Amino acid sequence: AQSVTQLDSHVSVSEGTPVLLRCNYSSSYSPSLFWYVQHPNKGLQLLLKYTSAATLVKGINGFEAEFKKSETSFHLTKPSAHMSDAAEYFCVVSELQDTGRRALTFGSGTRLQVQP
Amino acid sequence: EAGVTQFPSHSVIEKGQTVTLRCDPISGHDNLYWYRRVMGKEIKFLLHFVKESKQDESGMPNNRFLAERTGGTYSTLKVQPAELEDSGVYFCASSQARGAHNEQFFGPGTRLTVL
Repeated sequence: AQSVTQLDSHVSVSEGTPVLLRCNYSSSYSPSLFWYVQHPNKGLQLLLKYTSAATLVKGINGFEAEFKKSETSFHLTKPSAHMSDAAEYFCVVSELQDTGRRALTFGSGTRLQVQP
Repeated sequence: EAGVTQFPSHSVIEKGQTVTLRCDPISGHDNLYWYRRVMGKEIKFLLHFVKESKQDESGMPNNRFLAERTGGTYSTLKVQPAELEDSGVYFCASSQARGAHNEQFFGPGTRLTVL
């Protein structure tokens, strides 16, 4: 069975400072890992995904994440926060089921606040 | 290209009433998924359609929930009768193809409040 733990429910940073959103996962097989972002009144948008290629994954809006198998982590980072980054972020692990469905297991979400 | 749309954006009903949520996937996407987030908890899978067929409905909480996808286009999720614990945000997602790593595109969700 797969599971995801987002270690922080809320993170607050100042504009221009680095962002670190932490995610640990467990999976029976080689997982695919994703980060999604949800801005108010918008759908979840894919930020980036890891699919067993490069362990350092670059996404949209300057975000990146590093897959560390030994630590079972997939932390999301950004060197410099922007006000528009304020949103809720979800770490997601995915495994292919026998039905053909990719079962997505979501973390509980981290709400990022960016202070001016 | 239009994304996944959901209607209504908000719904407030009383316990015992019926509510129907609608999802329009991205055109051409055979896969359609329903998810639910209850009161700040994790987003949980409800069910998966491939075209008009239910591929996996293992996440449906009970028989008060009925999902349909007539003609393999839009989908509806009916809750009848609604209970207090059904309150939450219902998300719909669609994807183009089965197999590895296909991205699911999510709608903005319908916020359901049962009083």
